[in-house]
Amino acid sequence: AQSVTQLGSHVSVSEGALVLLRCNYSSSVPPYLFWYVQYPNQGLQLLLKYTTGATLVKGINGFEAEFKKSETSFHLTKPSAHMSDAAEYFCAVTKGGNTPLVFGKGTRLSVIA
Amino acid sequence: EPEVTQTPSHQVTQMGQEVILRCVPISNHLYFYWYRQILGQKVEFLVSFYNNEISEKSEIFDDQFSVERPDGSNFTLKIRSTKLEDSAMYFCASSALASAGNEQFFGPGTRLTVL
Repeated sequence: AQSVTQLGSHVSVSEGALVLLRCNYSSSVPPYLFWYVQYPNQGLQLLLKYTTGATLVKGINGFEAEFKKSETSFHLTKPSAHMSDAAEYFCAVTKGGNTPLVFGKGTRLSVIA
Repeated sequence: EPEVTQTPSHQVTQMGQEVILRCVPISNHLYFYWYRQILGQKVEFLVSFYNNEISEKSEIFDDQFSVERPDGSNFTLKIRSTKLEDSAMYFCASSALASAGNEQFFGPGTRLTVL
């Protein structure tokens, strides 16, 4: 079985500060990992994904994440937060193909001016 | 840019009533999914659908739930007799051919409130 744990249901950062959203996963098979973002009243939008190959993946809006197998982690970072980054962020894992996504509970990011 | 659409955005119903949630997946996608998110909880998988049949379902997807692709564009989730605990945000998603780490594209969701 697969599972995802997101530490911190709410993270607050100042504009221009580093954003770090934590995600740890559990998987009995090599995982495929995703970060989705949800803006108010909108659907889930893919930020980035890790499948195979390079463990540091870059996504949209300046976000990146690093797959660390030894730590079973896939933390999301952005060097400098922008007000428009305020949203809910979901980490998810799957076994690949068309198998279902297993989500974490989400982390709400607030950006303070 | 193609997107997944869902209707209605908000549905209010009485306990015991039937509801149908509608989704229009991206036109060339072949795999369809329903997920739900109860307020304050994680997004949970309900069912996946491929080639006009269910390919996988979770333990949440009991006999009260059914899915259908009635025509070439719509994908529906029916709840036959709603319960209070069915109140949640329901997300539809679609994806293209299965491949390593294929992306699932999500709709904006339908908020279902059961009174």
